[in-house]
Amino acid sequence: DARVTQTPRHKVTEMGQEVTMRCQPILGHNTVFWYRQTMMQGLELLAYFRNRAPLDDSGMPKDRFSAEMPDATLATLKIQPSEPRDSAVYFCASGPQGLDTDTQYFGPGTRLTVL
Amino acid sequence: AQTVTQSQPEMSVQEAETVTLSCTYDTSENNYYLFWYKQPPSRQMILVIRQEAYKQQNATENRFSVNFQKAAKSFSLKISDSQLGDTAMYFCAFMRGASGTYKYIFGTGTRLKVLA
Repeated sequence: DARVTQTPRHKVTEMGQEVTMRCQPILGHNTVFWYRQTMMQGLELLAYFRNRAPLDDSGMPKDRFSAEMPDATLATLKIQPSEPRDSAVYFCASGPQGLDTDTQYFGPGTRLTVL
Repeated sequence: AQTVTQSQPEMSVQEAETVTLSCTYDTSENNYYLFWYKQPPSRQMILVIRQEAYKQQNATENRFSVNFQKAAKSFSLKISDSQLGDTAMYFCAFMRGASGTYKYIFGTGTRLKVLA
């Protein structure tokens, strides 16, 4: 049963610290998405990649957030420096090639708390 | 710009009963995809059902079915024989069908509680 995996599942850090979240997409999927979920804003798309190339990161605060795909099996989302307003659940999702390229499969999320 | 509206913030249903969650969207596109995702208390986002706009037949997955009204831009989810495990947030999502476009637009969600 192929799944998207995310680490860590929970992260508590202090303001100003660097945070790195990792995602392993489903093997063979060629699109990867990063979302942020908060009570106030709901689900927001931060960035997404296709074939490891960034396609759109317009939803991401550029001054402190960065997203990369060092290889096809790893996507990272980094916040430096972190702020309390970054507290949220961060989801990674991946999408397959082929007939159902429209479908996204979500990981379990990383709950980030910035104190 | 596309928008997705879920007008029911919360709903409840008795176990074994049927419930319908509403979703409307606004788009000028003719080719697009619609989805329902479920988010239980575990926070995992789970795909429930998917509909291609060019298909007139409503999608069905076991106890879950949709009523897709393209002209009305409506995409409601019907859950039959509700089970306690159906308690979750349900999100409706829209994606344009244009090549190379993969962005989802999510609604604000409906919190469904199944009562024993």
